Amino acid sequence: GIQVEQSPPDLILQEGANSTLRCNFSDSVNNLQWFHQNPWGQLINLFYIPSGTKQNGRLSATTVATERYSLLYISSSQTTDSGVYFCAVKAGTASKLTFGTGTRLQVTL
Amino acid sequence: GAVVSQHPSWVICKSGTSVKIECRSLDFQATTMFWYRQFPKQSLMLMATSNEGSKATYEQGVEKDKFLINHASLTLSTLTVTSAHPEDSSFYICSAIASGVYNEQFFGPGTRLTVL
Repeated sequence: GIQVEQSPPDLILQEGANSTLRCNFSDSVNNLQWFHQNPWGQLINLFYIPSGTKQNGRLSATTVATERYSLLYISSSQTTDSGVYFCAVKAGTASKLTFGTGTRLQVTL
Repeated sequence: GAVVSQHPSWVICKSGTSVKIECRSLDFQATTMFWYRQFPKQSLMLMATSNEGSKATYEQGVEKDKFLINHASLTLSTLTVTSAHPEDSSFYICSAIASGVYNEQFFGPGTRLTVL
């Protein structure tokens, strides 16, 4: 099956700093989503981005499908950005998502 | 829009008992729902894909007789953990596809199961 790896696995930032999270996948995909899992476990949809670039406030994402990676940019980080960020991909005709390994982000004051 | 709820949010049960978890799409119809399990500090692992009106498709290594899935309507899927054991303690999360062009998945808030 498709492999999805995220980097870095852990990240500590000071409030106000910017960061880039990376998601690499091993095969062609037709769906890619970024999620933020908050401390209570809820997965929050950030982006549906199988290709191209999208922005939503302080967050933006870029997927280069031909090179099999996606990037999530967080600017001017806030403590509420803390949690785990997952990318998940869908390949072929299957409807299921395969989740990446996650990046655990901690934003400190 | 695209809200998914789960009930209960947490449950504690004795070993050997069965536990039922409900997953509902509140503002859309979901022909396909998914059940995931997440252990502490790990990623989400898909357990099964649930299609309305048909049998669920289980991932390799997931016991279908232990994790019973029913998707009887376009807004409700249930997961029953039968004869639960301490090793079944985990965070169970459901998701649903909102039908449309993009097939974006939306997730419920999860159910934390502790088996004593």
